[in-house]
Amino acid sequence: GAGVSQSPRYKVTKRGQDVALRCDPISGHVSLYWYRQALGQGPEFLTYFNYEAQQDKSGLPNDRFSAERPEGSISTLTIQRTEQRDSAMYRCASSLEARTGVTGELFFGEGSRLTVL
Amino acid sequence: AQTVTQSQPEMSVQEAETVTLSCTYDTSESDYYLFWYKQPPSRQMILVIRQEAYKQQNATENRFSVNFQKAAKSFSLKISDSQLGDAAMYFCAYRGNTGANSKLTFGKGITLSVRP
Repeated sequence: GAGVSQSPRYKVTKRGQDVALRCDPISGHVSLYWYRQALGQGPEFLTYFNYEAQQDKSGLPNDRFSAERPEGSISTLTIQRTEQRDSAMYRCASSLEARTGVTGELFFGEGSRLTVL
Repeated sequence: AQTVTQSQPEMSVQEAETVTLSCTYDTSESDYYLFWYKQPPSRQMILVIRQEAYKQQNATENRFSVNFQKAAKSFSLKISDSQLGDAAMYFCAYRGNTGANSKLTFGKGITLSVRP
């Protein structure tokens, strides 16, 4: 697609429910990143993929959070048994990389705003 | 681990004037990228400018320019002829060139207001 697409744009859920957030990166982009951003703060890294391989998940806060990218394109971030502290904007970004290393900027989606009641 | 520091939480500038936003970073790498992103009230993330560490020349994009001091690990953004539409939160970000360091690390951001 023309840009990074995320869905849903807004999600309100009750504490204890599971949620799945979807990211469709720019076509051909190798790397896909997930970030979380609280209001008034900078984006915080969660995890990233090169193709279908999860390269780094050091930013996932606990085992309720998981992500997958099974075919190297669309990715899903899943939060199980949501808690109020999970409320935030969840952003996906993608990047076109070269075999020799990164090529530069990340292109961000508009984010999925999660509210846990 | 790489860190990015934006020590000024807020700044204000008069329309048509110039303002400089500060950023410092810490890294042991020699090859990396630096970015400034703008986040308006719509909360989009918009790339303003980028700098490759191996380039000595400071990047410029229209009214936006950077002062990149590699030895001092400083990367400030200068906005000339400020416009009302420049009001936003600005994030400085670092990206290494390989492996785990290829993730983008952000500073806490600075809120810029523009006075008419």
